[in-house]
Amino acid sequence: NAGVTQTPKFQVLKTGQSMTLQCAQDMNHEYMSWYRQDPGMGLRLIHYSVGAGITDQGEVPNGYNVSRSTTEDFPLRLLSAAPSQTSVYFCASSPHIAATNEKLFFGSGTQLSVL
Amino acid sequence: GIQVEQSPPDLILQEGANSTLRCNFSDSVNNLQWFHQNPWGQLINLFYIPSGTKQNGRLSATTVATERYSLLYISSSQTTDSGVYFCAVDPPTSGTYKYIFGTGTRLKVLA
Repeated sequence: NAGVTQTPKFQVLKTGQSMTLQCAQDMNHEYMSWYRQDPGMGLRLIHYSVGAGITDQGEVPNGYNVSRSTTEDFPLRLLSAAPSQTSVYFCASSPHIAATNEKLFFGSGTQLSVL
Repeated sequence: GIQVEQSPPDLILQEGANSTLRCNFSDSVNNLQWFHQNPWGQLINLFYIPSGTKQNGRLSATTVATERYSLLYISSSQTTDSGVYFCAVDPPTSGTYKYIFGTGTRLKVLA
């Protein structure tokens, strides 16, 4: 299993540009989520999904959209990038919420800079 | 909302030393996990531990949910233990799986 795969690893955008960060997992996990990590801070939840067709907002959802059309994929869209969105983005997945061991598994991250 | 505080914020150890990292949370939680972020940024899940004690090699963790804290023990530390350790909690009042992370303990192990 590849686990949680994020692409790209690095991205530079200009203010106002849009882009999609990709996240895929091959562990048949129902739960997937996106976090951002800013310097000196912990991770903050942007959006999450508990299954295909179901998404919800986290702590910091503004400026981001998500969709979950398949169990495997959970893309994060920046509609109009702003410098405040410069951050490292992590995707995470976890087995079914009723599982006995609901560990979060993280991808390797995407470092995004918005100029 | 729930507050998650980790202590100490920074820790420097000599190789072979033991350490205890603490995570305090201000409200009841459904779940609690510990993570290690290595110097290359990779986040590794160490423990899923909503209550009780677990051990994995030189690492162990204890969560006392009724007293709202969790401890991560690192014994015989190695340079590869360096990085940032995060705890994350899932409060029952916030819905499903809305994990809140602490700001971490930055550990440096010297050879």
